[in-house]
Amino acid sequence: DIQMTQSPSSLSASVGDRVTITCRASQSISSYLNWYQQKPGKAPKLLIYAASSSQSGVPSRFSGSGSGTDFTLAISSLQPEDFATYYCQQNYNTPRTFGQGTTLEIK
Amino acid sequence: QVQLQESGPGLVKPSETLSLTCTVSGGSISSGSSYWSWIRQPPGKGLEWIGYIYYSGSTNYNASLKSRVTLSVDTSKNQFSLKLRSVTAADTAVYYCARDLGVTAGFDPWGQGALVTVSS
Repeated sequence: DIQMTQSPSSLSASVGDRVTITCRASQSISSYLNWYQQKPGKAPKLLIYAASSSQSGVPSRFSGSGSGTDFTLAISSLQPEDFATYYCQQNYNTPRTFGQGTTLEIK
Repeated sequence: QVQLQESGPGLVKPSETLSLTCTVSGGSISSGSSYWSWIRQPPGKGLEWIGYIYYSGSTNYNASLKSRVTLSVDTSKNQFSLKLRSVTAADTAVYYCARDLGVTAGFDPWGQGALVTVSS
């Protein structure tokens, strides 16, 4: 199975900050990497697919980059509604696997 | 737009079978571009992919659960289902169904999730 490792596991930031979350795959997954946002008690929501393509309706402050084994999710100017847990997930093969999550908290 | 909704018992006894159904609305489960997945999340923990099924009935399971899982599809009802046998407390989780649009896309949309507790 491909292991997905996110860093950091948690992050404190303020409204208006720019933050980045990284995701590393245990082997090359080309650009088959997706990012999700999950709020408490809710299902995950797809933000970014194929490493850098934004899902329809996702604010432009969210962006993704990377290929191979190293990927980044960036949020350019944090808004109050962005405080949540973020997961990366690989689609390169099965089993589909997720990172352990990064919890973004208000400083 | 496509919406998914899980349904099934919220409490299952140890050693019994967990059964959930996902109803797809706003689109056809027989869409050739879609796979239909189950994903679970134990309380306070991360996400685990269980497997997917295609409308034709072909399946792909996570090896970690393969011996206990069966996915099935009912195209006439626009539904797909999960059965997980011989459950233990470790199977307590929120179970989500989701559409998988293949390698170049992600899971979207998701159902709201169904909490299943394994307890006597």
